[in-house]
Amino acid sequence: AQRVTQPEKLLSVFKGAPVELKCNYSYSGSPELFWYVQYSRQRLQLLLRHISRESIKGFTADLNKGETSFHLKKPFAQEEDSAMYYCALSGGQEYGNKLVFGAGTILRVKS
Amino acid sequence: DTEVTQTPKHLVMGMTNKKFLKCEQHMGHRAMYWYKQKAKKPPELMFVYSYEKLSINESVPSRFSPECPNSSLLNLHLHALQPEDSALYLCASSQAGGFSGNTIYFGEGSWLTVV
Repeated sequence: AQRVTQPEKLLSVFKGAPVELKCNYSYSGSPELFWYVQYSRQRLQLLLRHISRESIKGFTADLNKGETSFHLKKPFAQEEDSAMYYCALSGGQEYGNKLVFGAGTILRVKS
Repeated sequence: DTEVTQTPKHLVMGMTNKKFLKCEQHMGHRAMYWYKQKAKKPPELMFVYSYEKLSINESVPSRFSPECPNSSLLNLHLHALQPEDSALYLCASSQAGGFSGNTIYFGEGSWLTVV
């Protein structure tokens, strides 16, 4: 079964502070992991995917298969980063391209 | 164009009404999805269509009926809904196939209120 756990409902940091949004997953095969972001009154949009190993808006995430984690990090938070962040897992075509989301973490960046 | 377009943006319907939500994409994607999202909750998968065939139904009540008229369109027919069905309904699409890194693109959603 696919399962994604985001342990924090809310993460509140000051502008300029480092950010780490935690994500752990449970999956028997080779997962595809994603981070999606939902800004206020905007559509859900892709932030990062693990296979790209890219940095978007200063955010990075590394897949750690040993710890089954895919934590999202940014060294210096900005106020415009305030949003809901969802970690998501896909089992690929074998599982019907089904994307399962974690419960989400609200990031609030205070000035 | 990486857009998934959903109409209407807002819909209010009575429990005896019949309506439908429409979703369209022109990215050549062959997998399309319906998700339901309640306030401050993650999206929950309802249906997946792959190559215009229903491939996943997450035990959704029959008062929700999906339809895929062609590879660009996905509808969600609504009939005899309950007030607890009020939510944001999200359509999404992705390239179907075996390669890894399928990115799923979401529409803005249709806000449904059942009265």
